[in-house]
Parts: sequence; structure tokens; C-alpha cells
Amino acid sequence: NAGVTQTPKFQVLKTGQSMTLQCAQDMNHNSMYWYRQDPGMGLRLIYYSASEGTTDKGEVPNGYNVSRLNKREFSLRLESAAPSQTSVYFCASMPVLLSLGSGANVLTFGAGSRLTVL
Amino acid sequence: AQSVTQLDSQVPVFEEAPVELRCNYSSSVSVYLFWYVQYPNQGLQLLLKYLSGSTLVESINGFEAEFNKSQTSFHLRKPSVHISDTAEYFCAVSEVGGYNKLIFGAGTRLAVHP
Repeated sequence: NAGVTQTPKFQVLKTGQSMTLQCAQDMNHNSMYWYRQDPGMGLRLIYYSASEGTTDKGEVPNGYNVSRLNKREFSLRLESAAPSQTSVYFCASMPVLLSLGSGANVLTFGAGSRLTVL
Repeated sequence: AQSVTQLDSQVPVFEEAPVELRCNYSSSVSVYLFWYVQYPNQGLQLLLKYLSGSTLVESINGFEAEFNKSQTSFHLRKPSVHISDTAEYFCAVSEVGGYNKLIFGAGTRLAVHP
């Protein structure tokens, strides 16, 4: 069971460079999310996609763009990286269920992508 | 908009002692509440959740949390901790009918010492 797969796991960029973090899930989940994790600040929501074809800003969207390519894939792009974007990035997905069963509202996380911007 | 406050950034405790990790939330509507755990160098995984029904929820490894609507709290407790419980714990909230958008607290690092 692959679950949520993120690539790359590690990346070092120079200020001003661009890159895309890829995320794919094989659980047929409707909703997908990008979070960043920084020491002392927990996880902060960057962007989310409630369903295929829709994307919305989270708490800290500035400097990022996203694409929900299809139901499985949700990518995060840094157009011009800045040192403040040094962080660990997590992709997550969630099913949308009609009833509050055991899987309802539960996020499944990827293993994370550690990004350093010099 | 909802928000979460975890009152302790670090909690040191000796093995077999009880522990409480505190979480308060703010929201103008009904909420779902969660505790996630992150072991070193891993992603987050669900520990327990409150969606509806009984306000006391339990995990399979002995943790429990109680939803207190009047105090807007969802504190996590365990009567006797093990070394293996050493991890970072995150409280999270989502609004009922709010497009499944989870907002997390800053986390509490639980360090269990022998």
C-alpha cells in the first residue's frame, strides 16, 4: 500500500530558483493538502484541494502555487524560492465520506520533503 | 476561522508517570477535533479523533482525550507513559461543513525519561 507518495525527499535550492514538489495518492481520496512544518509553529496549511478541479488558499499561501492535475496528483510549485521557504513540506489526502465512519475526516500524510533554500 | 492553541511546547515526564497535553481551540461553529502523533523523522499519524457522540475518545495505545465544549478544550491524557511514547503531538480542528480543512496547533514535544 503506497498511500501518499511525495517527491523529492530532499532538495537544496538557491534563492530565486524554482521547483515543484510532487504528490500522488492511490486511495481514491477526494481532498488533498499541502502543509509546511517549521520548529515551534506546527503544521501550517499552504493550499488545499477539496475535490478534483478546485484549489483554495490556506493559512500561508504567499510564494506558492498549486495544481490539482487529476484526482490522484496535487503538486506544489515555488516560482522563486526564498530562504523563508526552507521547511519540511507534507502532502496529505482525505476521503470525503457521506457518514462519520472510521475513515471520516482522517488525513493520511506522506513522508515529507525537506527543502533548503540558500 | 478556527485556531488551535497547545499550551505547552515541551513536556518532560518520567516513565510510568501520568501525562496531560493541553489543547484549546477557537471556532464560531461546531468542530471536529483530532490528535496526531509524529515520531522522529516520520510523517504524522492519527492518534484519536472526536467527530460526534461520546465526548471521551480513546486510542488503542492507552491515550484518551475529552471534548469539553464549554471550555473549548480537547486535552490528551495517558495514565502511565512509556519510553516509546516519546514523540511530538499535534492537536487539530476542522469546522463541521468546512471543506475538511484541518488547522493544527504548534505541537507539544513529549519526552519520556527512564
